[in-house]
Amino acid sequence: QVQLVQSGAEVKKPGSSVKVSCKASGGTFSSHAINWVRQAPGQGLEWMGGIIPIVDTTNYAQKFQGRVTITTDESTSTAYMQLSSLTSADTAVYYCARAWGLLRVHDSLDIWGQGTLVTVSS
Amino acid sequence: DIVMTQSPDSLAVSLGERATINCKSSQSVLYSSNNKNYLAWYQQKAGQPPKLLIYWASTRESGVPDRFSGSGSGTDFTLTISSLQAEDVAVYYCQQGWSAPITFGQGTRLEIK
Repeated sequence: QVQLVQSGAEVKKPGSSVKVSCKASGGTFSSHAINWVRQAPGQGLEWMGGIIPIVDTTNYAQKFQGRVTITTDESTSTAYMQLSSLTSADTAVYYCARAWGLLRVHDSLDIWGQGTLVTVSS
Repeated sequence: DIVMTQSPDSLAVSLGERATINCKSSQSVLYSSNNKNYLAWYQQKAGQPPKLLIYWASTRESGVPDRFSGSGSGTDFTLTISSLQAEDVAVYYCQQGWSAPITFGQGTRLEIK
């Protein structure tokens, strides 16, 4: 069974960038999309975007367009989410999650990483 | 964007009693090509990532207890826990996968009365 293992917590300065990784353990991404969802402290879930690795197609939420970049390295079965121009409003837990269906970014999300806390503070 | 609205925001139910959470989408999430509703339900316990409970509105994910059930079609959906257990205390979210951007409901906090 595939597990998604994310990189560790980060502390960043306002205006900087962060890159979070998500590695598939026990398998590969295959034809499933990998999505990124964030959760600010005490708040709900917010979709940022997703990628279908096998065709390298991305889809970003308009809110994050121009500020987020999602990539994959299929040789290591790792997905990355880079967010730039950080502000305190970006302090959140960032999750990667696999889409249930094949070749489809928007679907139910059946496997989730453990989450990565990104703290933006001067 | 499809707006997902859950009700209630919070709910307190006695152990062994039924819990019902509603979710309404601003447009239909039914795909006519396969007659599937792209509506999922998640459970999130404190300090954990969300866990998929139900997809296609009513299909239980493998390993999910059968006290959890989903129903509805089009724009109106319900998650029912038939007999509340202590381990069901969590926040529950609905989510549409009909179109990008993926959108979630605001969450319903379920507690023991």
